[in-house]
Amino acid sequence: GENVEQHPSTLSVQEGDSAVIKCTYSDSASNYFPWYKQELGKGPQLIIDIRSNVGEKKDQRIAVTLNKTAKHFSLHITETQPEDSAVYFCAASPTGTASKLTFGTGTRLQVTL
Amino acid sequence: SAVISQKPSRDICQRGTSLTIQCQVDSQVTMMFWYRQQPGQSLTLIATANQGSEATYESGFVIDKFPISRPNLTFSTLTVSNMSPEDSSIYLCSAATGRNTEAFFGQGTRLTVV
Repeated sequence: GENVEQHPSTLSVQEGDSAVIKCTYSDSASNYFPWYKQELGKGPQLIIDIRSNVGEKKDQRIAVTLNKTAKHFSLHITETQPEDSAVYFCAASPTGTASKLTFGTGTRLQVTL
Repeated sequence: SAVISQKPSRDICQRGTSLTIQCQVDSQVTMMFWYRQQPGQSLTLIATANQGSEATYESGFVIDKFPISRPNLTFSTLTVSNMSPEDSSIYLCSAATGRNTEAFFGQGTRLTVV
């Protein structure tokens, strides 16, 4: 089955700096890659996703890049703000849909003032 | 996106008993899923809840331990049977409105087994 590794496990940045979280996956058939943000005591919330037919997607301060050859994808957050502090999860699915998602181990992002 | 409500939000249960968690979506959805998230860890897919038929379980999860129902397009239940302390976890309901749409999550049910 699919295995998704995520790094780093914790990340501390100063407000205004950029944050990058990286994930690698093992199943070359995976073709859907969402990123979720989970705040304490809440369920995960989708922040951006990408499908395998594109290499990059951007939404305001958030971008995701995908390298299918290397089987890795990354989340980029620019101009970080304290409200970006949360746990971020990457995931991968071979179905092209939200089914059969395998999640990474999570990254705790702390944005300091 | 649709809103998912889970009940209960938390519970403390005695070992050997069972707990049924309810998941209600405020609009019809194509797919519904159940995940487990152990404290401070990642999410693991338990099963896909199929409307009108048996759920599809992932490796390591069985129907006798985690029976699931999905009687219609907006509602599902997950039962954690014959609980042990190892079942202490957060259980999350998730749904997607269509094949090419995102999955969104409920707030989770925090279960503690004593």
